[in-house]
Amino acid sequence: KAGVTQTPRYLIKTRGQQVTLSCSPISGHRSVSWYQQTPGQGLQFLFEYFSETQRNKGNFPGRFSGRQFSNSRSEMNVSTLELGDSALYLCASSLAPGGLDTQYFGPGTRLTVL
Amino acid sequence: GQQVMQIPQYQHVQEGEDFTTYCNSSTTLSNIQWYKQRPGGHPVFLIQLVKSGEVKKQKRLTFQFGEAKKNSSLHITATQTTDVGTYFCAGPWGGDMRFGAGTRLTVKP
Repeated sequence: KAGVTQTPRYLIKTRGQQVTLSCSPISGHRSVSWYQQTPGQGLQFLFEYFSETQRNKGNFPGRFSGRQFSNSRSEMNVSTLELGDSALYLCASSLAPGGLDTQYFGPGTRLTVL
Repeated sequence: GQQVMQIPQYQHVQEGEDFTTYCNSSTTLSNIQWYKQRPGGHPVFLIQLVKSGEVKKQKRLTFQFGEAKKNSSLHITATQTTDVGTYFCAGPWGGDMRFGAGTRLTVKP
């Protein structure tokens, strides 16, 4: 069974631009969660989608948004990029939502904002 | 802030020494999970604990879930250089998965 895939793997953007990251979960998984990982802040929860509905959102500004499609693939968008948005963005898929099931992580997208 | 607290933040050991990381939650958890992230990699699931007082072993790794289901620990016996990485605990909090800040383990050969 194929693992979680994320595209692109690396991105370089400048301040003020916007970016869209994509995540394809493991086949059969309907829950997709997004995390931001920085050296100083660890893994910070962004949001979780289950069956195309956003179940929860972490403490991030409205510039961070996401969606999930009917095939469970998910995208996250960051608008008006700031230097502090530079981070590794990880998505994870699971069978059940809400932290009740094992999360399988993708390799991440490394975003650098200049 | 982190709802799941993890200590220590860093641990440097000599190969062959033991290592323990601790995880504490402000609320009772239905389950706790442990993940390992190698340098340059992504978190990989190690184990899930569900029952109060549960103890599980994976070779040199021993995982415990506290009686009150608010704390957990991961103990590695006789560390090896392959154990290098960051170990995270995680649990359902407020309807989604929240991760501890992680314990970064380095091993000197």
